[in-house]
Amino acid sequence: AQTVTQSQPEMSVQEAETVTLSCTYDTSESDYYLFWYKQPPSRQMILVIRQEAYKQQNATENRFSVNFQKAAKSFSLKISDSQLGDAAMYFCAYRAQGGSEKLVFGKGTKLTVNP
Amino acid sequence: GAVVSQHPSWVICKSGTSVKIECRSLDFQATTMFWYRQFPKQSLMLMATSNEGSKATYEQGVEKDKFLINHASLTLSTLTVTSAHPEDSSFYICSARVLGGPRGGYTFGSGTRLTVV
Repeated sequence: AQTVTQSQPEMSVQEAETVTLSCTYDTSESDYYLFWYKQPPSRQMILVIRQEAYKQQNATENRFSVNFQKAAKSFSLKISDSQLGDAAMYFCAYRAQGGSEKLVFGKGTKLTVNP
Repeated sequence: GAVVSQHPSWVICKSGTSVKIECRSLDFQATTMFWYRQFPKQSLMLMATSNEGSKATYEQGVEKDKFLINHASLTLSTLTVTSAHPEDSSFYICSARVLGGPRGGYTFGSGTRLTVV
């Protein structure tokens, strides 16, 4: 079964600085999708960024970018110019190509942004 | 676009009663709905996957007779917690599979906080 590991239960960053959240996963599949979701105190799940495994280019969305290392099964999220509104739980998630299309989530990283 | 409306946002019920949680897709057809449970400060645990017009597929360890899922239409999926007990208190979230669109393939409801007293 696929597993997703987030080894950092909590992280903190100063406003305007850069922080990287780690995620590793285990799969025997060659084609899959990876996601980072943000869950603020409202608990609404918000997609931050998505990466298709077949794409070598790392995905970017404004201040958010990923470092996707397929061979190492690593998918880290970099947040640049951190803002107070970035404070939230961040979940890494995996989805296999085809099948039930269900998401497998990591345990999450709580990000605190200090003013 | 691709909004899922989840109701109620919070509910308190007495032990032994049943509670129904609804998720409606407002502007698209949700052929597949995922139901998650989230304990405080923990991750989302998939409970079941429902496809419109079919029986739900439950994850290992989830009691299908306790957590009844109905997905009778393309715009409505419901989760009924039957004979609720305090240990069923949790945060329940639905998520719909969305083909294409800006949400990366999934859209989430805003969640329901269930407290059983």
